[in-house]
Amino acid sequence: AQSVAQPEDQVNVAEGNPLTVKCTYSVSGNPYLFWYVQYPNRGLQFLLKYITGDNLVKGSYGFEAEFNKSQTSFHLKKPSALVSDSALYFCAVRDKTGGFKTIFGAGTRLFVKA
Amino acid sequence: KAGVTQTPRYLIKTRGQQVTLSCSPISGHRSVSWYQQTPGQGLQFLFEYFSETQRNKGNFPGRFSGRQFSNSRSEMNVSTLELGDSALYLCASSSGENYGYTFGSGTRLTVV
Repeated sequence: AQSVAQPEDQVNVAEGNPLTVKCTYSVSGNPYLFWYVQYPNRGLQFLLKYITGDNLVKGSYGFEAEFNKSQTSFHLKKPSALVSDSALYFCAVRDKTGGFKTIFGAGTRLFVKA
Repeated sequence: KAGVTQTPRYLIKTRGQQVTLSCSPISGHRSVSWYQQTPGQGLQFLFEYFSETQRNKGNFPGRFSGRQFSNSRSEMNVSTLELGDSALYLCASSSGENYGYTFGSGTRLTVV
């Protein structure tokens, strides 16, 4: 069965500093991995994905994520945080053999302080 | 290109009633998935449809059901509503397994 863990309920970072939001996953086969963001009073938006190939993937709004197969992790990163990045971030995993079924982590709330 | 459309946006129902929620995916997307979002449980997978077939189902009681039509539009139904069914119900569509979801704005269901 697929599962995703986001160990931090909340991450606080100062504007201009780098940010990392952690994610680990468990899946029986090879994973598709995703990050989504939910801004206040707005819907869930796709940020980036890892399907295959380079372990470092780049996405929207300057975010990137690093796939680490040995650590079964897919941490979200950004070199310089903006106040406008404050939102709820979800990591998700899809088993390549499981159709479109995608399991989401519990979410991590990011606060960027000016 | 129109996004994923969910109707209605808000619903208030009484315990014991039943409710039907609707989702129109992005044109050309054949996969539709449904999720329940609550503050305490996060995003919980309900079911996934592809070309009118339910391919995956989450761990929800049989009161939760769904279907997909030939035009890829999908409906989900909850019968005998309970207070704990109060949640934001999200629909998402995708163009392929290599792609992420596009989510609708959701239907907020309140059971009183």
